[in-house]
Amino acid sequence: AQKITQTQPGMFVQEKEAVTLDCTYDTSDQSYGLFWYKQPSSGEMIFLIYQGSYDEQNATEGRYSLNFQKARKSANLVISASQLGDSAMYFCAMREDGLTGYSTLTFGKGTMLLVSP
Amino acid sequence: KAGVTQTPRYLIKTRGQQVTLSCSPISGHRSVSWYQQTPGQGLQFLFEYFSETQRNKGNFPGRFSGRQFSNSRSEMNVSTLELGDSALYLCASSLNGESTDTQYFGPGTRLTVL
Repeated sequence: AQKITQTQPGMFVQEKEAVTLDCTYDTSDQSYGLFWYKQPSSGEMIFLIYQGSYDEQNATEGRYSLNFQKARKSANLVISASQLGDSAMYFCAMREDGLTGYSTLTFGKGTMLLVSP
Repeated sequence: KAGVTQTPRYLIKTRGQQVTLSCSPISGHRSVSWYQQTPGQGLQFLFEYFSETQRNKGNFPGRFSGRQFSNSRSEMNVSTLELGDSALYLCASSLNGESTDTQYFGPGTRLTVL
């Protein structure tokens, strides 16, 4: 079973509108971290936002917010007021502590976001 | 603070050759992880190093290896290159490699095997 599922291969949004990118995850760990990364065509993975499994408040970082619904195992990224520079691939990722106590980052397949003028 | 750096940025090799990629983590970060990204398989975890020890390894053949030095810099080596090794190789560093630590990525090394 996939640990991270991103069901939207591509999304289109107009400049200045808000957009939600979906992410669901699967884990039996109590302690885990959820991350969103942006990858422009240049290839670099840019960290956007983090949500810990014990955090009660949804994380926010500027125009980015994470809609965390723990019971539904959902961690959607919301981008408010989209900009042309937001056009990129977006990856949801999860880090679990695992049986060994050491953690690895597992990525979803990504969502390509295109922002039009 | 300087970010994660990777060298070289681009590499072209032929089948059968070997290659070494380098990664310098953010100052103070002790955990370095490597990932392979291809259009078909997406992002796959290769291995993680912490304090010069390999802590985790992904499902890759033994041709893929790595090491970490005392200054936390890391190298990965791929021997007997195959066409399927063509990929973007990303290195990421974090403080201690815990689940709550954010991994920061370098710009990647794009390897093409001819």
